[in-house]
Amino acid sequence: QKEVEQDPGPLSVPEGAIVSLNCTYSNSAFQYFMWYRQYSRKGPELLMYTYSSGNKEDGRFTAQVDKSSKYISLFIRDSQPSDSATYLCAMSFDAGYSSASKIIFGSGTRLSIRP
Amino acid sequence: NAGVTQTPKFQVLKTGQSMTLQCAQDMNHEYMSWYRQDPGMGLRLIHYSVGAGITDQGEVPNGYNVSRSTTEDFPLRLLSAAPSQTSVYFCASTPGSGRATDTQYFGPGTRLTVL
Repeated sequence: QKEVEQDPGPLSVPEGAIVSLNCTYSNSAFQYFMWYRQYSRKGPELLMYTYSSGNKEDGRFTAQVDKSSKYISLFIRDSQPSDSATYLCAMSFDAGYSSASKIIFGSGTRLSIRP
Repeated sequence: NAGVTQTPKFQVLKTGQSMTLQCAQDMNHEYMSWYRQDPGMGLRLIHYSVGAGITDQGEVPNGYNVSRSTTEDFPLRLLSAAPSQTSVYFCASTPGSGRATDTQYFGPGTRLTVL
């Protein structure tokens, strides 16, 4: 069993819809939860991160963590064609020195927003 | 700033050949890393470096060597290419101490096929 599971999609929704992207994980020691966006033929870019449980909002994006269920979500409101990309969740046990070496990535969900 | 640059963009090798993937950054970041991305596997860390002269292994280091003689450059060497090394390779650099929640700046990737 992988430590982080993510539905590969593809997920196709019409412009303006609310998108929900999800990951599940098996290790309860994860404390930091991140979402990356990767456009086709490009490297990933960090969208946002949350610490422990709760919600975090940044513009049209909301990240949600439910540690009791080992489940994280990324919601995109008023989705735009420019949001079409692959979204990768990622997790880490700590955020200290050199802890970027301890990030576990999901395999990514391909999202397509239809105009 | 050019950010993180990688060369070549594409490469085809025969089994047993060796080659070096180049990575350079002009942001004066101490922390740099190499990932491979395979379908259904997410990003997996190959090697990383916390500064010039210091490197360490990631999750999948076998078959790869790295060195870090300057802050700017972090080349990845394939010693004897195997078909299992067919992948997309990303180099990344991170400011500060390379924390998991810091923004990793990824290069555009090198698409490698080993026949």
